[in-house]
Amino acid sequence: SQQGEEDPQALSIQEGENATMNCSYKTSINNLQWYRQNSGRGLVHLILIRSNEREKHSGRLRVTLDTSKKSSSLLITASRAADTASYFCATDNKKGAQKLVFGQGTRLTINP
Amino acid sequence: GAVVSQHPSRVICKSGTSVKIECRSLDFQATTMFWYRQFPKQSLMLMATSNEGSKATYEQGVEKDKFLINHASLTLSTLTVTSAHPEDSSFYICSATDPSYEQYFGPGTRLTVT
Repeated sequence: SQQGEEDPQALSIQEGENATMNCSYKTSINNLQWYRQNSGRGLVHLILIRSNEREKHSGRLRVTLDTSKKSSSLLITASRAADTASYFCATDNKKGAQKLVFGQGTRLTINP
Repeated sequence: GAVVSQHPSRVICKSGTSVKIECRSLDFQATTMFWYRQFPKQSLMLMATSNEGSKATYEQGVEKDKFLINHASLTLSTLTVTSAHPEDSSFYICSATDPSYEQYFGPGTRLTVT
């Protein structure tokens, strides 16, 4: 079952603005990951944050994790038209060959 | 990075026929493979977990007799949708974990049942 809830479900912003997406989950986790999916395509792994980490950066991406609130956020700075995609968080709660539980996703549209 | 392929990328079949989808890890041995289904504008739903040489573990609500999974080698898992119906039309995505438990996703297979 899906345990992740993401908000907003859809987000439309102007190119150059920052985009923030949030993800909440219900059970304790080992890792939380963010993925991007272009329409009709496979998943692209963006970033993984472990349960003992609070913040992580990768290029224009910044991810935060608050395990007390069971939530995470993904910030994309200086957005580009190419960032238009759906973004999903996924959690796993077990070390080893973990199965991922995906959030509902946020459809991000960057307007030129 | 590691690559996972799926074949075919798109398939159209008639109602009542069976369709096989392959998932291969190209440059690593996959201890575990996962199969997901994604309906339009929805998220990925895990269908089953596949371990080489053993029976797949299906998620609740997924019919094991309808979605046959075979994981015959450390680099290949197959999903067969038996007696497909239009409601089985979906995007099927596999993922594979390498020995360090990094998980890599395939590009997906679009199944359309007419």
